[in-house]
Amino acid sequence: NAGVTQTPKFRVLKTGQSMTLLCAQDMNHEYMYWYRQDPGMGLRLIHYSVGEGTTAKGEVPDGYNVSRLKKQNFLLGLESAAPSQTSVYFCASSYAGGPSGTQYFGPGTRLLVL
Amino acid sequence: ELKVEQNPLFLSMQEGKNYTIYCNYSTTSDRLYWYRQDPGKSLESLFVLLSNGAVKQEGRLMASLDTKARLSTLHITAAVHDLSATYFCAVEIRGSNYKLTFGKGTLLTVNP
Repeated sequence: NAGVTQTPKFRVLKTGQSMTLLCAQDMNHEYMYWYRQDPGMGLRLIHYSVGEGTTAKGEVPDGYNVSRLKKQNFLLGLESAAPSQTSVYFCASSYAGGPSGTQYFGPGTRLLVL
Repeated sequence: ELKVEQNPLFLSMQEGKNYTIYCNYSTTSDRLYWYRQDPGKSLESLFVLLSNGAVKQEGRLMASLDTKARLSTLHITAAVHDLSATYFCAVEIRGSNYKLTFGKGTLLTVNP
């Protein structure tokens, strides 16, 4: 099992460019999440999904869009990148229900917007 | 709105010493999690605390939960250098599809 994987690992964008971050999980988890991590801020939830074809906004959704066309994949899109979106992005997944909702995290994508 | 506060945010310890990290949260919650993050790495799950009075231990780390006080603690016993990392607590919002609100993290440095 690869667990949660993210592509790419690192990317540099110019202001106004667009890109898509890919998250894939092979654990058959129903729930998937996108977070951003900034120094001194902890992790903040951007968007999440409770199943294939569903998405919902988290704490900081502005400037991002997501899609979950397949259960194992969760895509995060930046339509017009801004320097404020420079961050480390983590994807996570978890089971629905059960005694523990532990989220399993991917390795992260470092994004620099110039 | 759920607020999660950790303290201290920075902790420098000597090897062999004991210390406690505190995690306070503002509203009723079902579950509390502790994660560890090494520099430049992802987050690794340490503990899940599911009920009032829950205590979990792994090696030199012990976590506890007091839901009435809305407080969790992560106690470090006889610290060693390998424990140097950032530790996050995260609180699950009740009925929120397992959405987590994270504290800002505690950067722990264990010095020889």
